[in-house]
Amino acid sequence: AQTVTQSQPEMSVQEAETVTLSCTYDTSESDYYLFWYKQPPSRQMILVIRQEAYKQQNATENRFSVNFQKAAKSFSLKISDSQLGDAAMYFCAYRAYSGGGADGLTFGKGTHLIIQP
Amino acid sequence: SQTIHQWPATLVQPVGSPLSLECTVEGTSNPNLYWYRQAAGRGLQLLFYSVGIGQISSEVPQNLSASRPQDRQFILSSKKLLLSDSGFYLCALLRDRGFHEQYFGPGTRLTVT
Repeated sequence: AQTVTQSQPEMSVQEAETVTLSCTYDTSESDYYLFWYKQPPSRQMILVIRQEAYKQQNATENRFSVNFQKAAKSFSLKISDSQLGDAAMYFCAYRAYSGGGADGLTFGKGTHLIIQP
Repeated sequence: SQTIHQWPATLVQPVGSPLSLECTVEGTSNPNLYWYRQAAGRGLQLLFYSVGIGQISSEVPQNLSASRPQDRQFILSSKKLLLSDSGFYLCALLRDRGFHEQYFGPGTRLTVT
């Protein structure tokens, strides 16, 4: 079974600085997808960034970027120029490739990100 | 655009009472739908998924059940709630089979007393 591990229960960063959230996963699959979701106090789950395992290039979305190391099964999220609105729980998630699209997501336990003004 | 509605937003129920949580979606047809539970201080756990009307797959054995009576309706039920059923329940859909990510509804907070 796939597992996703987020080893940092909580991280704190000064506003405008850069922070990196760690995620490792365990799978025997070669094709899969990795995601970072953000959950603000409203508890709405919001997709931050997505990475396909077959792509070597790291995904980037504005201030958010990932460092995907397939051999090491590592998928970290870097947030540049941190803003107060970035404060939230961040979840790393995995989904095996499935032609039928039936597979659900496997989530880590989350990292609580605090932004210090 | 796709929209997910969940009802109710908040629910407090006594142990042993029945449960029915509803998820309805708009802006898509024949979606893959999912129920997740988020216990306090934990990540999300997949409970059920459905690829079509009447088709339900269970990921975790428990006293919960799910049904999909219509294409865009997904219901989570229980005949008798346990204290351990407390949590935040999220409905999700597969945004697009080409995109692979899931889009989540606003959730239902369930407290079993």
